[in-house]
Amino acid sequence: VQLLESGGGVVQPGGSLRLSCTASGFMFSSYAMNWVRQTPGKGLECVSAISGSGGGPDYADSVRGRFTISRDNSKNTLYLQMNSLRADDTGVYYCVKSTRWLQFDYWGQGTLVTVPS
Amino acid sequence: DIQMTQSPSSLSASVGDRVTITCRASQSIRSYLNWYQQKPGKAPKLLISDASTLRSGVPSRFSGSGSETDFTLTISNLRPEDFATYYCQQSSTAGPFGQGTKVEIK
Repeated sequence: VQLLESGGGVVQPGGSLRLSCTASGFMFSSYAMNWVRQTPGKGLECVSAISGSGGGPDYADSVRGRFTISRDNSKNTLYLQMNSLRADDTGVYYCVKSTRWLQFDYWGQGTLVTVPS
Repeated sequence: DIQMTQSPSSLSASVGDRVTITCRASQSIRSYLNWYQQKPGKAPKLLISDASTLRSGVPSRFSGSGSETDFTLTISNLRPEDFATYYCQQSSTAGPFGQGTKVEIK
C-alpha cells in the first residue's frame, strides 16, 4: 500500500488549497478513505471521511462547510478541497486508508499546510 | 464533535511495569474505540480496534477494555519499544482523537 499526498503549501487566511492523494497497492474503490491532520493546537483529528463509492462523506465540526472531500476511483485519487482557510488549519495532512469506517490502517507521509496568522 | 479525553497526558514507567491509560468519550460510542501508537517522525499504528480487538501482529501484552464512554488501554510488562505516545480515537463520527499519552522511560 502506498499513499502519496501532494498540494500542501503556504496560503493566506481566507484562501483555498486542494490536496490530492494518489493510492496504489490495493483495490482503491473498495475502501473508505480519510484525511487526518496533526496540528499543534488540536493534535490528531480526522477532518473528513468518504466511502469507497464516494458516498456518506463525514466531516469534523471544525471544517464542515469549508472543506470538501471527493475521490476519483478511475484515477485512484482522493482529494480535499479546503476553502476559507484559517491559521488553526495549519498542520500536516495525512491521506489515510480505512480498514473499516473510521478505522485507520495505512497512512501517507503527510503534506504540510501553513496558514500564517 | 464527540470529544475524547485521555489521562494521564504523560507518565514515566520502567521496563517490566504495567501501564494503564484511560479514555473517556463525551457521549456513548458503544465499542467504536480504537487505540494507536505513535513514535517520533512516524505515522500512528493501529493497535486495538473495537475497544478490545488486538490487531494482527500486535503483542499480547497490549489489551483494551471498556464500552459506552469509558475505555482503558493496558500494557503489561512494558518493553523498551513501547515507549511512545498513545492515542484513543472513536470511529463513530469524524472528529478529534484523544490528546495523547506520552509513555516515557523512568
